[in-house]
Amino acid sequence: KAGVTQTPRYLIKTRGQQVTLSCSPISGHRSVSWYQQTPGQGLQFLFEYFSETQRNKGNFPGRFSGRQFSNSRSEMNVSTLELGDSALYLCASSTGSLAKGGYTFGSGTRLTVV
Amino acid sequence: GESVGLHLPTLSVQEGDNSIINCAYSNSASDYFIWYKQESGKGPQFIIDIRSNMDKRQGQRVTVLLNKTVKHLSLQIAATQPGDSAVYFCAEIADTGRRALTFGSGTRLQVQP
Repeated sequence: KAGVTQTPRYLIKTRGQQVTLSCSPISGHRSVSWYQQTPGQGLQFLFEYFSETQRNKGNFPGRFSGRQFSNSRSEMNVSTLELGDSALYLCASSTGSLAKGGYTFGSGTRLTVV
Repeated sequence: GESVGLHLPTLSVQEGDNSIINCAYSNSASDYFIWYKQESGKGPQFIIDIRSNMDKRQGQRVTVLLNKTVKHLSLQIAATQPGDSAVYFCAEIADTGRRALTFGSGTRLQVQP
């Protein structure tokens, strides 16, 4: 079956702009989590959506937001971009329970803010 | 607060040797531990997992050991191959409360031919 698809793969934005990233989970998976990966902070949890509702949220400012659609696809949005938002943004798909190999990651969107 | 850390940032081994990657965790409430492999340009890839009620689990060429007494997790890779070269992360998650993976800082494994 198809894996987790993230689009776009690469993105360059200017400070102050906003950006929207997309994630299509594995078919049948209802949970989508987002993580930010940077060399300095490593992998950090942003938020999780399950059945169109935000179920968990990490310690990121309100500029980071997301949503999930009825087909489980998810988008995350970052407004008023800062240089420090440059990172690899990863999406993880899950059934929503802690099962074997429960979290499958996409290849990520590499965001560069200039 | 919750944290997962690694002892060694870079591990260099010879092809065919066994590799051991270590991880310390601090959240005694974690129920589930996962090892991920991340290659350049890709997202983390599941390797093996273990629940907190187990102390050892084996997969193909990989073994995970969990020592809850000292809050230590290790990944053993047998007969390491060049294709094993990557960054390895341990991650933990609790079955209750905030359901989010907490990742360690990662260890880069370099396999010398």
